[in-house]
Amino acid sequence: GNSVTQMEGPVTLSEEAFLTINCTYTATGYPSLFWYVQYPGEGLQLLLKATKADDKGSNKGFEATYRKETTSFHLEKGSVQVSDSAVYFCALTVSSGNTPLVFGKGTRLSVIA
Amino acid sequence: GAGVSQSPSNKVTEKGKDVELRCDPISGHTALYWYRQSLGQGLEFLIYFQGNSAPDKSGLPSDRFSAERTGGSVSTLTIQRTQQEDSAVYLCASSFRGGGTEAFFGQGTRLTVV
Repeated sequence: GNSVTQMEGPVTLSEEAFLTINCTYTATGYPSLFWYVQYPGEGLQLLLKATKADDKGSNKGFEATYRKETTSFHLEKGSVQVSDSAVYFCALTVSSGNTPLVFGKGTRLSVIA
Repeated sequence: GAGVSQSPSNKVTEKGKDVELRCDPISGHTALYWYRQSLGQGLEFLIYFQGNSAPDKSGLPSDRFSAERTGGSVSTLTIQRTQQEDSAVYLCASSFRGGGTEAFFGQGTRLTVV
């Protein structure tokens, strides 16, 4: 089946620290991979995506590279800000078949000044 | 509309009552999802509609939960005989064609069962 595993939180970092949130997946078929972000009191919004192997998604200083050989899509940011404090969800969907979007459990990030 | 619209935004109901939650997806999106998010928890998949295919109901937690999608557009999630453990934020999302495409989320309906 299709599943996503991401690192447990919460993660607490100081401002300007380097961030990595690990995400690995299993999929039957060829998945597209996503990171969604949920800021406090807000709905989920797409942060970045990658639709094929070796693609790099990027947005707002965040990056993630679709690694088929390691079935991973780790989220990184070189210098986090307080405003990055949020819950981050890794997700996948498979283009073949009638399958829903599958989410990881989410990782809460707190950035302190 | 410009985005996924959910109503009501907040709903407080008494235990044992039925509730209906509505989702208006982005025009032209054939796929529609319902998820549940309990306080501080991740996303729990409930049900998925894709075009004219039979919906994937595998995530519905009990037979008190049901959903329909009329005319391939608006969807209603119904919870019968609500229980306190049903209290959560119910999120709806839609995507252009389901598999392989990104989903856009509504703001959710916060359901509180007292």
